[in-house]
Amino acid sequence: EDQVTQSPEALRLQEGESSSLNCSYTVSGLRGLFWYRQDPGKGPEFLFTLYSAGEEKEKERLKATLTKKESFLHITAPKPEDSATYLCAVSGNTPLVFGKGTRLSVIA
Amino acid sequence: DGGITQSPKYLFRKEGQNVTLSCEQNLNHDAMYWYRQDPGQGLRLIYYSQIVNDFQKGDIAEGYSVSREKKESFPLTVTSAQKNPTAFYLCASSIGARGSGANVLTFGAGSRLTVL
Repeated sequence: EDQVTQSPEALRLQEGESSSLNCSYTVSGLRGLFWYRQDPGKGPEFLFTLYSAGEEKEKERLKATLTKKESFLHITAPKPEDSATYLCAVSGNTPLVFGKGTRLSVIA
Repeated sequence: DGGITQSPKYLFRKEGQNVTLSCEQNLNHDAMYWYRQDPGQGLRLIYYSQIVNDFQKGDIAEGYSVSREKKESFPLTVTSAQKNPTAFYLCASSIGARGSGANVLTFGAGSRLTVL
């Protein structure tokens, strides 16, 4: 059974304080690992797809990396507008399986 | 602009009533999905459809029903058999079917159902 575990559940940062979110996964035949951002009361918004270990992708202050067992979402010098819940999901032999998310708060 | 439209955004239901949530997409995507989200929980798959007139149960299909008569539409009915239906419901679509490499999901804005 495909599983995704995200940590921490919640993270509070000062503006400019860099940090990382973790996504650990078990999947039969990884076809892709996905990161989404979700604002309160809205649908998730796609950020990145990673397909193989060693792959990295960047978008503004966000950088996603992938190993064979986990993925990290690095946030460099975050701003208050980066506050959101970040969801990780994996695609294997079933439709996307999501983790519970990390709720990020960036304080000015 | 292409996207997914869910309606209504808010819905209130009395116990014992069936309700239907609408999901329409104009992205020409083959696959469509329904997820349920509860506070502090991840998204859980209810049903998904890879092609018209075909759909499969997800992890929590009990008490729900769907249809896929048109490529653009994938309505979800929450029946009275669903014991705890109060939740945030998300519809999504993707280009490819289950397991394809280009399986990026595009989500709608969600529908919040409250049982009174």
